[in-house]
Amino acid sequence: AQTVTQSQPEMSVQEAETVTLSCTYDTSESDYYLFWYKQPPSRQMILVIRQEAYKQQNATENRFSVNFQKAAKSFSLKISDSQLGDAAMYFCAYRSRNNAGNMLTFGGGTRLMVKP
Amino acid sequence: NAGVMQNPRHLVRRRGQEARLRCSPMKGHSHVYWYRQLPEEGLKFMVYLQKENIIDESGMPKERFSAEFPKEGPSILRIQQVVRGDSAAYFCASSRLGTTSYNSPLHFGNGTRLTVT
Repeated sequence: AQTVTQSQPEMSVQEAETVTLSCTYDTSESDYYLFWYKQPPSRQMILVIRQEAYKQQNATENRFSVNFQKAAKSFSLKISDSQLGDAAMYFCAYRSRNNAGNMLTFGGGTRLMVKP
Repeated sequence: NAGVMQNPRHLVRRRGQEARLRCSPMKGHSHVYWYRQLPEEGLKFMVYLQKENIIDESGMPKERFSAEFPKEGPSILRIQQVVRGDSAAYFCASSRLGTTSYNSPLHFGNGTRLTVT
């Protein structure tokens, strides 16, 4: 079974600065997907960014980018030019390509605080 | 285009009562997933359904929990004889395709927070 670990329960960043959230995972599969989700206080789960394991190029979405290290099974999220609206819980998630469905395995989350 | 709709947003039940949580997937989506989020934890997969079929229920507790997705109407997650440990946020998600297609991402609802007193 796959596991996803987020070792930072809480992180803090100054507005306009850059912060990196860590995520490691354990799998014996070679092909899979990785995701970062944001959960603000409203509880809504918002997809931030996603990465296919077979792609070597790191995904980027505006101020959000990932550092995907397949050999190390690491998938960190970098948020540049942090904004107050970035404050939320962030969850890393793994999805196998072998299952019939869209089931995700989530990490325990990192609470990001943004200081004005 | 409305997103995934869950109701109620908050549900309070006394121990021993039944809880029914509803989920209407996005228009055009026929694959529904239920997840549970305990306080300060990540979401845990419970069950995957298609219309009138349970595809994977490997994350469902063996007793008291059931789920359905009828041909007409929303998907229902039912918890019988609730206990305090059932208190959590329950999320529904839907996708257009059931395969591990990169172009069929999951869309989540806003969850139902169940409190058992």
